[in-house]
Amino acid sequence: GEDVEQSLFLSVREGDSSVINCTYTDSSSTYLYWYKQEPGAGLQLLTYIFSNMDMKQDQRLTVLLNKKDKHLSLRIADTQTGDSAIYFCAETSSGYSTLTFGKGTMLLVSP
Amino acid sequence: DTAVSQTPKYLVTQMGNDKSIKCEQNLGHDTMYWYKQDSKKFLKIMFSYNNKELIINETVPNRFSPKSPDKAHLNLHINSLELGDSAVYFCASSQVASGFYNEQFFGPGTRLTVL
Repeated sequence: GEDVEQSLFLSVREGDSSVINCTYTDSSSTYLYWYKQEPGAGLQLLTYIFSNMDMKQDQRLTVLLNKKDKHLSLRIADTQTGDSAIYFCAETSSGYSTLTFGKGTMLLVSP
Repeated sequence: DTAVSQTPKYLVTQMGNDKSIKCEQNLGHDTMYWYKQDSKKFLKIMFSYNNKELIINETVPNRFSPKSPDKAHLNLHINSLELGDSAVYFCASSQVASGFYNEQFFGPGTRLTVL
């Protein structure tokens, strides 16, 4: 079945850039997503990219997609303490468009 | 104006009991989901309903029974609770568009603790 892998933990200092990486196995993935989960809350969609795009920029967020290597990354510029959260990579490809989530990367931003 | 709401937020109960978690969405979406998030934060799909019909049923014990009285509600009933059922359960909803774009809106979660 489909598999989505992420590193589990990333620690950065405030003001630095953060890069969270994700790899997936399903070559028929059509959309790839980044969700953010703050402590004690549900997941919230941050951004997404369609599979025919290489890059998408949205304010401090940059998503890069390497479809050949099945590699997705999320770059957060000027990381703030409020960015501390768990970030989930996800993809859709099936007929019912279910989301397959990675295990999540915990981002810790220190002052 | 909450989009996806769940009740209760916390549920503490004894092993062997039966409990229900309720979910409601006011977004007009056709599809609703239940996810289980374990203590390591791993998120797994349990069920998905589209217009009140079950479309996804992952390998979940039959002690778990979802019920969708209408497309705005998806409740989860759990019989004979076990220690391993302790987790955070998330409800979500989406309006699945053509081309498989699927932005899901999540509820705040229900933390279930089985003693």
